[in-house]
Amino acid sequence: DAGITQSPRHKVTETGTPVTLRCHQTENHRYMYWYRQDPGHGLRLIHYSYGVKDTDKGEVSDGYSVSRSKTEDFLLTLESATSSQTSVYFCAISEDRRGLLKDGYTFGSGTRLTVV
Amino acid sequence: QQQVKQSPQSLIVQKGGISIINCAYENTAFDYFPWYQQFPGKGPALLIAIRPDVSEKKEGRFTISFNKSAKQFSLHIMDSQPGDSATYFCAASPPGTASKLTFGTGTRLQVTL
Repeated sequence: DAGITQSPRHKVTETGTPVTLRCHQTENHRYMYWYRQDPGHGLRLIHYSYGVKDTDKGEVSDGYSVSRSKTEDFLLTLESATSSQTSVYFCAISEDRRGLLKDGYTFGSGTRLTVV
Repeated sequence: QQQVKQSPQSLIVQKGGISIINCAYENTAFDYFPWYQQFPGKGPALLIAIRPDVSEKKEGRFTISFNKSAKQFSLHIMDSQPGDSATYFCAASPPGTASKLTFGTGTRLQVTL
């Protein structure tokens, strides 16, 4: 998707290993978000950032940490991956927190993570 | 606690038919109601949005109907096409600079020939 890229696109990892997903934007948007998408649960917010080094927890933050050292990059880390963290992870960016401006929340194409 | 309840979970509609997806919310402070469309292998993208000062908003074949007293809003897709096959998410947010979007659980729409 234009302006936002996620890496890797696919990853298989073993239980107990650390995993870091990367989100990179070229839009210079202030707000960045990490969601997970699971059948029957829709999109659930993990963590979000409202500026460099400014982050806050979402509704399903347990087992996840984030960092934002530059405007353009937002990292999601699973400190010790578990099978329950098998999911599709989406990064999103927005100009305003509510998504009222321009294109609302712009999502990346997702990272499919499998924990075995 | 789920603040936005979406139904149905999946929907099959014939080409040319009307697709209807419903959402109900609990927080009466919500004042912004967007719909996002997600194609397979892609992230969701903003489709159409409504504010509670109007009861309906139309963009092409897509219409949002809003019922403030019932705390419900719905997406209608007229003359549904196979290219409309996607997952649709409703969302809502209350006023305030600290507010974020809360998404529904999604509806998988399949439009058959």
